[in-house]
Amino acid sequence: DVKVTQSSRYLVKRTGEKVFLECVQDMDHENMFWYRQDPGLGLRLIYFSYDVKMKEKGDIPEGYSVSREKKERFSLILESASTNQTSMYLCASSLPGRALETQYFGPGTRLLVL
Amino acid sequence: AQSVTQLDSQVPVFEEAPVELRCNYSSSVSVYLFWYVQYPNQGLQLLLKYLSGSTLVKGINGFEAEFNKSQTSFHLRKPSVHISDTAEYFCAVTPRDSGAGSYQLTFGKGTKLSVIP
Repeated sequence: DVKVTQSSRYLVKRTGEKVFLECVQDMDHENMFWYRQDPGLGLRLIYFSYDVKMKEKGDIPEGYSVSREKKERFSLILESASTNQTSMYLCASSLPGRALETQYFGPGTRLLVL
Repeated sequence: AQSVTQLDSQVPVFEEAPVELRCNYSSSVSVYLFWYVQYPNQGLQLLLKYLSGSTLVKGINGFEAEFNKSQTSFHLRKPSVHISDTAEYFCAVTPRDSGAGSYQLTFGKGTKLSVIP
């Protein structure tokens, strides 16, 4: 079974702090994704990566950056956290190629920025 | 660009009753279609997907969906729901072409299914 793990289930940070969300997958997937999930808005793609050191912006990249130094690990960085970044963050991975491949999701990190 | 509309944000249904969760999409190109489910306090998992062939797609846990190209719909159905089906369900699409956008799934806003004992 594919396993996607996220470093924290719950996180509380202060406004202005630098925040790192880590995601690790164990299936040697090329593609990895970071989504934000908000009530009534569904999932919105922040960034995705199709290979090590490669990244593409999604729909809402403002205020976020990412890092992919190793194939199995994809990090989401909030350079200076703000209260409007309070949300559920979901990581996913998939086989190489286009998005017709199934995406496998982690359990999510619920971030509260005070 | 693609968009997905899930017509009902919440659907309550009694146990053992049938259910239909509605999904309509808009796209200028042909698409692949997906339904994902999110159980409480978990990430999403794939229920089923339509790539080609028969327009009736069967998924896990007794769910099925029918692709209707003329109505641009991909409604999800189950003939008899169980308490364990209580979850949030997301419809998603991605373009069939191989352009840059084809890495990306566009999700609907979700439908919360509540199964009442």
